[in-house]
Amino acid sequence: QVHLVESGGGVVQPGTSLRVSCAASGFTFSTYSMHWVRQAPGKGLEWVAVISYDGTNKYYADSVKGRLTISRDNSQNTLYLQMNRLRAEDTAVYYCARDLGNGDSAIGYWGRGTLVTVSS
Amino acid sequence: DIQMTQSPSSVSASVGDRVTITCRASQGISSLLAWYQQKAGIAPKLLISAASSLQSGVPSRFSGSGSGTDFTLTISSLQPEDFATYYCQQANSFPWTFGQGTKVEIK
Repeated sequence: QVHLVESGGGVVQPGTSLRVSCAASGFTFSTYSMHWVRQAPGKGLEWVAVISYDGTNKYYADSVKGRLTISRDNSQNTLYLQMNRLRAEDTAVYYCARDLGNGDSAIGYWGRGTLVTVSS
Repeated sequence: DIQMTQSPSSVSASVGDRVTITCRASQGISSLLAWYQQKAGIAPKLLISAASSLQSGVPSRFSGSGSGTDFTLTISSLQPEDFATYYCQQANSFPWTFGQGTKVEIK
């Protein structure tokens, strides 16, 4: 059973940094692309970033490019999102998510999310 | 980036009603479209991938169709547990993008 558990959220000041993590279990982590998707309070879903199964390819939403960095540690079955120069508009629940797989492009599994609040 | 536009933004319907949600892409995306259901305070759930492929465990009253730029999600007979917000998402090219969502409310 696929299990994704995010951690590391909290309240931070604008301009500071934060790293959120996602512990994965129940599947062979090293064979799937992984995503971060966020949702600001009361708003819709925003895709943030993806990393390929081996970490060699990464893509980002324009709104986070240059400030947020996705990475993974396949030896620890863990996905990361390093967030620098945080802004108020980065306030959101951040979901860790797994590619559906089998060549099908969609997000098949989601964690429960971790809330990041950027406020002075 | 590819823009995804859903309509309507909200719909009021009764149990048993047929509900149709449309999603339009700003450029052709073949059949690389997914639909998600999200209930308040809970992570989204994948309903349909590849425009029309129903995921395991999803009731058959849900169906998807379309290709190119125009897509639809249909709920053939609305059930109480279907009241939620629905999102389309294109997977044709990065950055992936979601529609703004359609809230299905009780009439």
